[in-house]
Amino acid sequence: DVKVTQSSRYLVKRTGEKVFLECVQDMDHENMFWYRQDPGLGLRLIYFSYDVKMKEKGDIPEGYSVSREKKERFSLILESASTNQTSMYLCASSFDWNEKLFFGSGTQLSVL
Amino acid sequence: AQSVAQPEDQVNVAEGNPLTVKCTYSVSGNPYLFWYVQYPNRGLQFLLKYITGDNLVKGSYGFEAEFNKSQTSFHLKKPSALVSDSALYFCAVRGIGTGGFKTIFGAGTRLFVKA
Repeated sequence: DVKVTQSSRYLVKRTGEKVFLECVQDMDHENMFWYRQDPGLGLRLIYFSYDVKMKEKGDIPEGYSVSREKKERFSLILESASTNQTSMYLCASSFDWNEKLFFGSGTQLSVL
Repeated sequence: AQSVAQPEDQVNVAEGNPLTVKCTYSVSGNPYLFWYVQYPNRGLQFLLKYITGDNLVKGSYGFEAEFNKSQTSFHLKKPSALVSDSALYFCAVRGIGTGGFKTIFGAGTRLFVKA
């Protein structure tokens, strides 16, 4: 089975800190995604990547950046964390655009 | 722009009764549609997808979904609900970005199945 691993299950950070969320997949998938999940809003796409070093903004990229230096790893960066970035962050990957997404377990980030 | 709407925040159904979770979509071109489920304290799991072909798609755990092009709907159904089906359900559509495709999700519908 495909495994998508997110480095932390829970994370607590302070306002203004730089935060790194790491995601690794083990199935050589081309596409990787970062979403945030908030009650009543569903999953909103922050950034996605369709190849190494290639990235594209999703629907809510403000305050975030990403890095994909290797195919298996996709990092989400909060340049200066703010309280409104408190959320559940989900990483996903897929082999092809028509294929299902495989999700990690999520990182619950709290910014105080 | 592509979008997905799940008009019900919550659906309540008695065990053994049929269930329907509604989804409508808006997308340019041919729709590629998905349903995912999120059980408490677990990640999202794929249930089923519609790419082309038969309008009735069968998926995991006895779920199926009916694609209706004229109504731009993709409702999730199950003939007989189980208490263990209680979860958060997301409809999703493949959308088009600048350099690639992206999957866009609805807000989710919480399903409660009562024994």
